[in-house]
Amino acid sequence: NAGVTQTPKFQVLKTGQSMTLQCAQDMNHEYMSWYRQDPGMGLRLIHYSVGAGITDQGEVPNGYNVSRSTTEDFPLRLLSAAPSQTSVYFCASSYSIIGTASKPLHFGNGTRLTVT
Amino acid sequence: DAKTTQPNSMESNEEEPVHLPCNHSTISGTDYIHWYRQLPSQGPEYVIHGLTSNVNNRMASLAIAEDRKSSTLILHRATLRDAAVYYCIKGSGGSNYKLTFGKGTLLTVNP
Repeated sequence: NAGVTQTPKFQVLKTGQSMTLQCAQDMNHEYMSWYRQDPGMGLRLIHYSVGAGITDQGEVPNGYNVSRSTTEDFPLRLLSAAPSQTSVYFCASSYSIIGTASKPLHFGNGTRLTVT
Repeated sequence: DAKTTQPNSMESNEEEPVHLPCNHSTISGTDYIHWYRQLPSQGPEYVIHGLTSNVNNRMASLAIAEDRKSSTLILHRATLRDAAVYYCIKGSGGSNYKLTFGKGTLLTVNP
């Protein structure tokens, strides 16, 4: 059981380049989300999805796009990378985070992105 | 939306109990209290969560105040492997899917 898999582990981009951070989970979780973590900061929610075909914005969505065509995958796209997007990105998934159905979030090990 | 409040850092000795506090003064009746921890260079890891009653699992205990405005994560015997950043998070009982992490408490465990 692989859990939440993020690729790549490390990436260096030049300003203006685009790329996709991949996230896959094999636990049949409905809920998936992307966070970014900057030095000395907590995690900030970028986008989330409550099921295939459904996505919504978190706290810091600008500069990022997402889609959820399958239950397993939730890629995060940077259309035109900026130095302010240098960060560590974490993907997480769960059966549910709501009310009495609340279950733990499972996190991947992160993608460390540097934009020069 | 008011977040939770935790001390920036705490220190403990190995094999002693650790009590990590969290204030969540604007919590609603259906908001769950979640605790996660993050070891260096890893993603956060679930520790425990609860609504009203105290909760125990193999990792820790969660004590929730009667008015639910504060909670305490209890590590019964700290080990060096417990050194991490601990996040207290107010989850939503409604339809708010935005689980917000603050800066957490950096726990140092001395040998």
